[in-house]
Amino acid sequence: AQTVTQSQPEMSVQEAETVTLSCTYDTSESNYYLFWYKQPPSRQMILVIRQEAYKQQNATENRFSVNFQKAAKSFSLKISDSQLGDTAMYFCAFMKLQGGSEKLVFGKGTKLTVNP
Amino acid sequence: DAGVIQSPRHEVTEMGQEVTLRCKPISGHNSLFWYRQTMMRGLELLIYFNNNVPIDDSGMPEDRFSAKMPNASFSTLKIQPSEPRDSAVYFCASTLTGLNTEAFFGQGTRLTVV
Repeated sequence: AQTVTQSQPEMSVQEAETVTLSCTYDTSESNYYLFWYKQPPSRQMILVIRQEAYKQQNATENRFSVNFQKAAKSFSLKISDSQLGDTAMYFCAFMKLQGGSEKLVFGKGTKLTVNP
Repeated sequence: DAGVIQSPRHEVTEMGQEVTLRCKPISGHNSLFWYRQTMMRGLELLIYFNNNVPIDDSGMPEDRFSAKMPNASFSTLKIQPSEPRDSAVYFCASTLTGLNTEAFFGQGTRLTVV
C-alpha cells in the first residue's frame, strides 16, 4: 500500500522568506503523480503544484517549486517570498496511475504559519 | 462548471440517527473519492469509485458506513447508526484521470454527532 509521510506537523516562516516542507512516500509503482494541496482556514482544498513521476524536471508554479527525488522517494515543496496568505495546512499526496484504479492518498499535513 | 458540490455543509445529529452526505462531482469526471478529515488522523481515504464502480473501500471504518454511486453525477455516503466518534469533516473529490490529472474537492460537510 502506498503511504505518504510528512514529518513536520508545524512550521513557521517570516514574511518574504523561503520555507521548505518535506514529504516522503513509499511505493513500488513506477507511474504516478505527486501533488501538494493547500487548505486555508476556509477549509477549501486547493491544488498548489503537481509532478508527474516520469518527468525529471521539477515542477514550478510562480513562488512554489518542488524538489522531486524519485530514487529517494522524496517530494519537498519550496515556497519563496512567503506571504501572509500562504498560512494554511499543506498536504502532500500520491496518486498511482493504474488504468481505472487510480487512488489518491494524502499525508497528515504540515501547518504553515507565515509571520509578519 | 460549479465544481464539486457537497450537501449539506453542516450537519448536527443525535447519536444513533442515520446520516446521509451527498456529492455531485464535476461533469465528465470519471473518479470520485470520499475522505474523512480529523485532527488526529488527517485526511483518510474512505472509498473511491471509478466509472461509478467502487474500486477500493478498505478505508471504510466499519459496517455502519456505506457509499453508493448510482450514476456519474451523484454519490452518497451514509452512516447508520451514527456515533460521536464519527464527528469530522467529510470531503468528496472528483477527477478525470489521465494527462493533467487534478482532484477537485467540494467544500466538505462538517458532521457533528452529539
